[in-house]
Parts: sequence; structure tokens; C-alpha cells
Amino acid sequence: SQTIHQWPATLVQPVGSPLSLECTVEGTSNPNLYWYRQAAGRGLQLLFYSVGIGQISSEVPQNLSASRPQDRQFILSSKKLLLSDSGFYLCAWKSPGGTYEQYFGPGTRLTVT
Amino acid sequence: AQTVTQSQPEMSVQEAETVTLSCTYDTSESNYYLFWYKQPPSRQMILVIRQEAYKQQNATENRFSVNFQKAAKSFSLKISDSQLGDTAMYFCAFMKLYFGNEKLTFGTGTRLTIIP
Repeated sequence: SQTIHQWPATLVQPVGSPLSLECTVEGTSNPNLYWYRQAAGRGLQLLFYSVGIGQISSEVPQNLSASRPQDRQFILSSKKLLLSDSGFYLCAWKSPGGTYEQYFGPGTRLTVT
Repeated sequence: AQTVTQSQPEMSVQEAETVTLSCTYDTSESNYYLFWYKQPPSRQMILVIRQEAYKQQNATENRFSVNFQKAAKSFSLKISDSQLGDTAMYFCAFMKLYFGNEKLTFGTGTRLTIIP
């Protein structure tokens, strides 16, 4: 069966510091991968998606970036965090063909102080 | 652009009762999927049920069923025999079918509380 992992689970970082959040998927090959952000009391907003290694598309311009160095690894980064980057970050995966369900990881709670 | 509206920010119901959560959406697409996701206090998003727009039959998953009205662009979720474990935020989501970017557009959610 497929599983998706995210770490860290929680993170507190000062403004201006760098960020690296990691997401890995097991039990599937060549998944589509997604990064979403959930601000307090709101729904999810898609930040980035990837259909393959090195292929990243951005949905929302911001000071965040994403990379996919391996087939089942998706990384969210920032060189300098802003207060507005605080939120709950969720990674999701989807099978590359057939069904359209996206399955989510446990998430990372980021607080920028 | 697609929009998803959930007009009930909060709802509560007694255990074992039936509750219906509302969702409307706006799109010019004819081929799409609709989903309901559940987010319990742990905050992990859990897929509850999906509906393909080309299917007239409403989807059902155990105690969860939907009422899909394509012409009205309405997609409500019915939870029968509600249980304490159903307490969570529920999000309605729309997906336009487009290769590679099957992007989910979410509503703002409904906080459902099941009262013992």
C-alpha cells in the first residue's frame, strides 16, 4: 500500500531564516506531487505541483520554491521566511494515471516568529 | 476560474442523527470531479467520497452519500447515523480534469460537531 510522510511535524522559525520541508511517498512510482498551504480557519491553497523529477509548476508567486530531486521526494523551500508564511503545509500525491483522488500527508505546522 | 462555496461555517448534530452539509460551485467546465474531504483534529486530510460529473448516479460510501445536482452546481454531503468520530472540518473540493495539473480547488469548510 502507499504511504506518504512529511517532516518535520512542527517547526518554529524566525523571520528571515531558511526553510526546508520534506515529503516522501512510498509504494508507488512516478506519482504527481502537490504542496498545499492552509492558513488558519481556511481551506487549502495549491502552491506547487510536479508530474516528474525536476518538473515543477508554481500556482502562486511567493518567496517559496519547490524541488523534486527524486521520483518520490518533494521539497518545499524558502531562502528567507516571512511572517505570512506561517500555516499548515500539506503534501499530496496522485497516481499518474486512471483515478483522480489526491491523498494527503500528515502535514507540517510552520510558525514564523 | 472555479470557485467552491460552503455556506455553513459550523454545524452540530446529535449522535446517531443525519446531517447534510452544503456545497455549491461555479465552473464553465463540463467534465470534472467533486470531492468531500474530512479534516479531524489531527489535521490530516482524509478523502471521504468522490463524484464524477459525467455520472448521474450519486456516489455512496457506507454512511456517506452525496446529492449531486449538476445543473444547479450543487454537491451536498449526507452523513447518516452520525458518530462521534465524524467530528471534523469537512471540505468540498472541485477538480478540473487537465493532464498533469489536476488541481483541487477547496471551499472554506464546515466545522461539524457530533454531540453525544
